[in-house]
Amino acid sequence: EIVLTQFPGTLSLSPGEGGTLSCRASQSVSSRFLAWYQQKPGQAPRLLIYGASSRASGIPDRFSGSGSGTDFSLTVSRLEPEDVAVYYCHLYGSRWTFGQGTKVEIK
Amino acid sequence: QVQLVESGGGLVKPGGSLRLSCAASGFSFRDFYMSWIRQAPGKGLEWVSLITSSTSYRDYADSVKGRFTISRDDANKSLYLQMNSLRVEDSGIYYCARYSSSSGLNLWGHGTLVSVSS
Repeated sequence: EIVLTQFPGTLSLSPGEGGTLSCRASQSVSSRFLAWYQQKPGQAPRLLIYGASSRASGIPDRFSGSGSGTDFSLTVSRLEPEDVAVYYCHLYGSRWTFGQGTKVEIK
Repeated sequence: QVQLVESGGGLVKPGGSLRLSCAASGFSFRDFYMSWIRQAPGKGLEWVSLITSSTSYRDYADSVKGRFTISRDDANKSLYLQMNSLRVEDSGIYYCARYSSSSGLNLWGHGTLVSVSS
């Protein structure tokens, strides 16, 4: 079973500041099947990034994804107040698992 | 309008059953794989089940295998999750989501709440 570990658990950023969320897989996985989701308080998750680095439709370009093998990251270049949320990485395809989430809050 | 709307959640006693529904609109439902994902109160996301288009293949998380059954009705653009032998740990919000191998879970419903308690 592949385990996805996200860190940090909480990321505190000032408005306009950039930050990086990490997702580490317990073994090498295909970047083709790595996604990131955003879940704002009280809402359903929303697809942000798929294939490790492709932005979903309507997602602002301040969100970007990268990585390969076991290490993946989601970068928010300039935090907006509406970006406060929990962010999950997700491995799909033949094996399905989610990371435990990183909470992004305003400093 | 492209959307998924879940229903059927509620309060049930341990050992009981519940059937969740997910109504799709605004897209060609029969062409997509569909999935159920759940979220326990205050916890993260857990994949539950997947069904392919044409129902040729179904898959389940180990935690629900043998107790839950996923199905679909393409004519009525609906996805279902039959949940039997429910346990307290099955409580949470259940989301249906549209899946594509090229883009992951690209459309989510708002969720329906399942509470298993005596």
